[in-house]
Amino acid sequence: QSLLTQPPSVSGTPGQRVTISCSGSSSNIGSNTVNWYHQLPGTAPKLLIASNNQRPSGVPDRFSGSKSGTSASLAISGLQSEDEADYYCAAWDDSLNGHYVFGSGTKVTVL
Amino acid sequence: EVQLVESGGGLVQAGGSLKLSCAASGFTFSTSAIHWVRQASGKGLEWVGRIRTIPNNYATTYAASVKGRFTISRDDSKNTAYLLMNSLKTEDTAVYYCARRGRYSGSSAFDYWGRGVLVTVPS
Repeated sequence: QSLLTQPPSVSGTPGQRVTISCSGSSSNIGSNTVNWYHQLPGTAPKLLIASNNQRPSGVPDRFSGSKSGTSASLAISGLQSEDEADYYCAAWDDSLNGHYVFGSGTKVTVL
Repeated sequence: EVQLVESGGGLVQAGGSLKLSCAASGFTFSTSAIHWVRQASGKGLEWVGRIRTIPNNYATTYAASVKGRFTISRDDSKNTAYLLMNSLKTEDTAVYYCARRGRYSGSSAFDYWGRGVLVTVPS
């Protein structure tokens, strides 16, 4: 069971805004920055958001991240068909001598 | 162009060993920490471990699930990182990715990933 909890699925219609939540604890999100990755079927994960809200070069500004306390969220505005993928939050966790943790993953479906 | 290419995967019996390689190009390998992440079929991502750089004494950290069985190393002269897996279990069956820690201040964000290599430990 992951230390970071995400909803299993989120769906929306094209153009809609959807958000994905990521709930953690004081040892991970509460103490460290949050990163978001997305993964298309059969491909490697790709960095979407770094350090809570930084978009790497090439990531559309439709994607935005935020963090508050021990929770974080990813927002996708202007949902597009190509956004249909699995999304994972992640953060360093300071417990057990430190380790990286991924969220349980959220499947985004574009209706 | 930054590239990470894993190799060495395959079928190995339970209790056996396997060594994966992660060949890097397109960046100064010696200045980047390298992480290993795995994903069982139909499951989510699981962090395996990491190796830091020479200023950090090549320190390694592992997930509890692999600690004592897996060893991460690197050869900066060959721009390659390794994942040695011993005492393999059926639950180690997964696609294994290597990833580079990006240069985001205060963040362990993995900005480049390899395509992954499949390791199968049959029951």
